[in-house]
Amino acid sequence: AQKVTQTQTSISVMEKTTVTMDCVYETQDSSYFLFWYKQTASGEIVFLIRQDSYKKENATVGHYSLNFQKPKSSIGLIITATQIEDSAVYFCAMREGNTNTGKLTFGDGTVLTVKP
Amino acid sequence: AQTIHQWPVAEIKAVGSPLSLGCTIKGKSSPNLYWYWQATGGTLQQLFYSITVGQVESVVQLNLSASRPKDDQFILSTEKLLLSHSGFYLCAWSLQGAGERLFFGHGTKLSVL
Repeated sequence: AQKVTQTQTSISVMEKTTVTMDCVYETQDSSYFLFWYKQTASGEIVFLIRQDSYKKENATVGHYSLNFQKPKSSIGLIITATQIEDSAVYFCAMREGNTNTGKLTFGDGTVLTVKP
Repeated sequence: AQTIHQWPVAEIKAVGSPLSLGCTIKGKSSPNLYWYWQATGGTLQQLFYSITVGQVESVVQLNLSASRPKDDQFILSTEKLLLSHSGFYLCAWSLQGAGERLFFGHGTKLSVL
């Protein structure tokens, strides 16, 4: 069974600094996909970035990047030059397999507070 | 452009009463559809998913049921609400494929009293 664990309940950083959020996962599949989503105070959930298990290169989108350490089953999210509006809850998620499966498992989330 | 609409935005219901939440996706044919539940301050718990009309898979049993009567519609319901059903319900869609991202609706806040 797949499992996603985010050990950091909350993080507080100063604006314009870099923050890393941790996520470890468990899976029996050799092929899987890892995602990060952001939930704002209004409840809106938006997709941020994705890592495919077969890719060695870390994904990067804007000021979001990933630290994919496959031997450690770890997929950290790095946000550089943080802004006040980055304050939100960040969820790591995983889906197994390369077929059209519907199960997507989320971690418990990390609350990020960016202070001016 | 694809749009996802969830209804209602919020509900206050009595224990034991029925519930029906809906979700409609426009602008995309044959999407995968999902229902998630989130307790206040909690994680996103997947309840159901559907990859085609009339076919719904249950992930977690919470005395809820789901149906997909049309390609673009996903319904979550129960005949008798429990206090534990309170929370935030989110509908989402994705293209077919394990690597596809989810697009979430704005959610329904349910309070069961």
